[in-house]
Amino acid sequence: AQSVTQLGSHVSVSEGALVLLRCNYSSSVPPYLFWYVQYPNQGLQLLLKYTTGATLVKGINGFEAEFKKSETSFHLTKPSAHMSDAAEYFCAVTGGSQGNLIFGKGTKLSVKP
Amino acid sequence: DGGITQSPKYLFRKEGQNVTLSCEQNLNHDAMYWYRQDPGQGLRLIYYSQIVNDFQKGDIAEGYSVSREKKESFPLTVTSAQKNPTAFYLCASSIGANTGELFFGEGSRLTVL
Repeated sequence: AQSVTQLGSHVSVSEGALVLLRCNYSSSVPPYLFWYVQYPNQGLQLLLKYTTGATLVKGINGFEAEFKKSETSFHLTKPSAHMSDAAEYFCAVTGGSQGNLIFGKGTKLSVKP
Repeated sequence: DGGITQSPKYLFRKEGQNVTLSCEQNLNHDAMYWYRQDPGQGLRLIYYSQIVNDFQKGDIAEGYSVSREKKESFPLTVTSAQKNPTAFYLCASSIGANTGELFFGEGSRLTVL
């Protein structure tokens, strides 16, 4: 069965530092992979997605992620953190019942001034 | 503007009462979903519907019911049989099933006193 593991429920970085949020998945078929962002008391918003083609995917707000099949990973990065990046981030993979998304448990990103 | 509207944003109810959460979308999407979010547990799928007048149970359907009489509407009822109903509920839609790209509402926070 497909699953998603996000390493680290909380990550704290300084403003201007590199952001790295880790996501590993298991899938018996080629996956579609997603990163979503959630600000407090709001719904989720799509940051970026990988379906096929180029393995380095660029998203909104300067985020990008690289699909590494050999490592079954889809880590999210941003070169320089901004205070407005503080939020919770969810990695997701297709493969649930009827092809629904399976979500990781989320990583809460804090950005220190 | 197209989007998904959930209401109410906040809801308080006594134990033993049924509660209905509203979800309306004007994106002309075929598929709609209800998720439950608890701290540290990510998103768990309650029910989903790929087409009008049809819906399927997700991973945690017990104590919940839904209907899909119109394409744009997918209300969720939290019944008295749900043992721990206090949570944040998120409605989402997608163009079709299996696309993976979900559009989310702002959520409804239910507190049972």
